[in-house]
Amino acid sequence: EPEVTQTPSHQVTQMGQEVILRCVPISNHLYFYWYRQILGQKVEFLVSFYNNEISEKSEIFDDQFSVERPDGSNFTLKIRSTKLEDSAMYFCASSAGRNTEAFFGQGTRLTVV
Amino acid sequence: QKEVEQDPGPLSVPEGAIVSLNCTYSNSAFQYFMWYRQYSRKGPELLMYTYSSGNKEDGRFTAQVDKSSKYISLFIRDSQPSDSATYLCAMSDPANYGQNFVFGPGTRLSVLP
Repeated sequence: EPEVTQTPSHQVTQMGQEVILRCVPISNHLYFYWYRQILGQKVEFLVSFYNNEISEKSEIFDDQFSVERPDGSNFTLKIRSTKLEDSAMYFCASSAGRNTEAFFGQGTRLTVV
Repeated sequence: QKEVEQDPGPLSVPEGAIVSLNCTYSNSAFQYFMWYRQYSRKGPELLMYTYSSGNKEDGRFTAQVDKSSKYISLFIRDSQPSDSATYLCAMSDPANYGQNFVFGPGTRLSVLP
C-alpha cells in the first residue's frame, strides 16, 4: 500500500542550526502538507503546497521556515535557525486532489537543545 | 470558542464495548470530516473520510456527521485492545484554497482486555 515516508525519524540539533526534514509523498498525489505536533498538544497546520508553490501557510510558518520540492519525489521542510520551541513532531502529508483525504507519514521528531 | 473541540478523555472501556467518540466545531463552512487514529509518537492514520451530513460505515467503524448541530461522531463496535490510541477528528472547508485540515485535540481511548 502506498505510504508517505519521512526521514529522519529523529533529529537532534543545536539551537541556531539549520535542519532539513525530508518527505516522499505518495507518488500520484498533487497536494503536500507539513503539520507539527508539540508533545501533548494538537496537530497544527504549517503549510500546504500545490503546483510547485505554497498555497497556504499558518502564522507558525514564519520566515525561518521554507519548503521545497527539489525533484519529482521529495518534499522538504527547512528550518533556518532552530529555536527551542521548534521541538516537536513534524508530519508530512499528501492528498490526491482538492477535497480528498490526506495521508500522513510517521513523522520526524525534532529535538532542539 | 475553539474551532474544533473533542471530549478530553481519557476514555476506558472493556474489550467488546461500543465506543462513541465525538467532536463539535464552530465553523459552518467545514464540509469534509476525517477521523484519524494516532498511536503514541506515530503519525495519524486515516480511518474515515466523509463529506457533509450522513453516515458512513467501514468494518467496525461508523462515522456520523450532523452539520445542523456541528457535531460529528465515530463509533467503534466490538472494540479491541489494539484500538487503544488517541483519536483525532479533522475537518476542512472546501472553499479554502490551501486545504488545511483543522484538528481537534484528540481523545485518548483505552480498551481493557
